Amino acid sequence: EDQVTQSPEALRLQEGESSSLNCSYTVSGLRGLFWYRQDPGKGPEFLFTLYSAGEEKEKERLKATLTKKESFLHITAPKPEDSATYLCAVQAGDTDKLIFGTGTRLQVFP
Amino acid sequence: GAVVSQHPSRVICKSGTSVKIECRSLDFQATTMFWYRQFPKQSLMLMATSNEGSKATYEQGVEKDKFLINHASLTLSTLTVTSAHPEDSSFYICSASRGGTGELFFGEGSRLTVL
Repeated sequence: EDQVTQSPEALRLQEGESSSLNCSYTVSGLRGLFWYRQDPGKGPEFLFTLYSAGEEKEKERLKATLTKKESFLHITAPKPEDSATYLCAVQAGDTDKLIFGTGTRLQVFP
Repeated sequence: GAVVSQHPSRVICKSGTSVKIECRSLDFQATTMFWYRQFPKQSLMLMATSNEGSKATYEQGVEKDKFLINHASLTLSTLTVTSAHPEDSSFYICSASRGGTGELFFGEGSRLTVL
């Protein structure tokens, strides 16, 4: 059975304190690994898609990396506006459906 | 970027009534749409996959007679929660696939509260 596990569940950072979020996955026939940001009461906002081990993508203070078993979302010098829940999801096989992890709730304090 | 719109964003209904939620892809044709449910502080759980013009495929444990999904056109899918009960109160989110790309675009979600 396809599984996605994220850690930590919650993370509190001081503004400027860099850190990483982890997404471990067990899936047959990975087509893509997705990172989303979700603010309270809103739908997920697309951040990145990674397709193969070794791939990296960056956007502002965020960088996503992928290995054969896990993905990391690195946050460099975070700001309070980066506070949100970060969701990881995998797409596998011949379907476009996404299987989501439980998310990491990030709080960045000034 | 592609836009997916959900309506209503919030709905409150009495127990036993039915509620319909619409999901529209505004600027692209969505061959496939997905419906998710999210309880507080939990992640998105896939309920069903709908393809235009065919019956929806439901995930294990999701009652297809309770959650009716219709994908009548390439830009519209609807989720009807029939005979709603308080335990159906949740955040329902749709996503749409722009055919062939694997990209999924999410709506803003619909908060259902059943009294």
